[in-house]
Amino acid sequence: DTGVSQNPRHKITKRGQNVTFRCDPISEHNRLYWYRQTLGQGPEFLTYFQNEAQLEKSRLLSDRFSAERPKGSFSTLEIQRTEQGDSAMYLCASTRWGLAGSETQYFGPGTRLLVL
Amino acid sequence: DAKTTQPTSMDCAEGRAANLPCNHSTISGNEYVYWYRQIHSQGPQYIIHGLKNNETNEMASLIITEDRKSSTLILPHATLRDTAVYYCIAPNQAGTALIFGKGTTLSVSS
Repeated sequence: DTGVSQNPRHKITKRGQNVTFRCDPISEHNRLYWYRQTLGQGPEFLTYFQNEAQLEKSRLLSDRFSAERPKGSFSTLEIQRTEQGDSAMYLCASTRWGLAGSETQYFGPGTRLLVL
Repeated sequence: DAKTTQPTSMDCAEGRAANLPCNHSTISGNEYVYWYRQIHSQGPQYIIHGLKNNETNEMASLIITEDRKSSTLILPHATLRDTAVYYCIAPNQAGTALIFGKGTTLSVSS
């Protein structure tokens, strides 16, 4: 069990540029989540996938944001035409949903985005 | 909206037990309560979760009141490395996403 990994760990970009983040979940975890965390706040849910299907999106996920999980394994989160307000830590989590009882989400280290 | 409320901050002396309270009076009967912590600039780390019974693992103990309206996370012997923001969390209405509040900043000092 190598844990959830995210790349890059840090990204600095200029306003208006596109950025893409990658998340590799724990092996055999069928659900993958994206959260965003701004300074001083707790993480906020953005979207989640079960296998390759995107099942839920938050109101926070504007049209400039798109997430994919093409083969039900890794996922990418793209932000188009970045704005300074997009500066945040982007967190990925995964879980093996379907086991009896609760589903514990395990988080990656996050990608910290700074938009200049 | 977060279904849990926690104190903003707490202090604890190294080696003593840290007791972190959480109110969750609105969670439903089949919703688990999760605890995570986040050390500066890292992703949230899972600690423990529970439904009705008290739970213990290698990191902490979770005491849930009989009416399930509140719980307490206990770190039995706090160390300086336990300094972090601790989140008491309930899932959203669909039971899919975790709803984080602002958590409790625990400061452990020597």
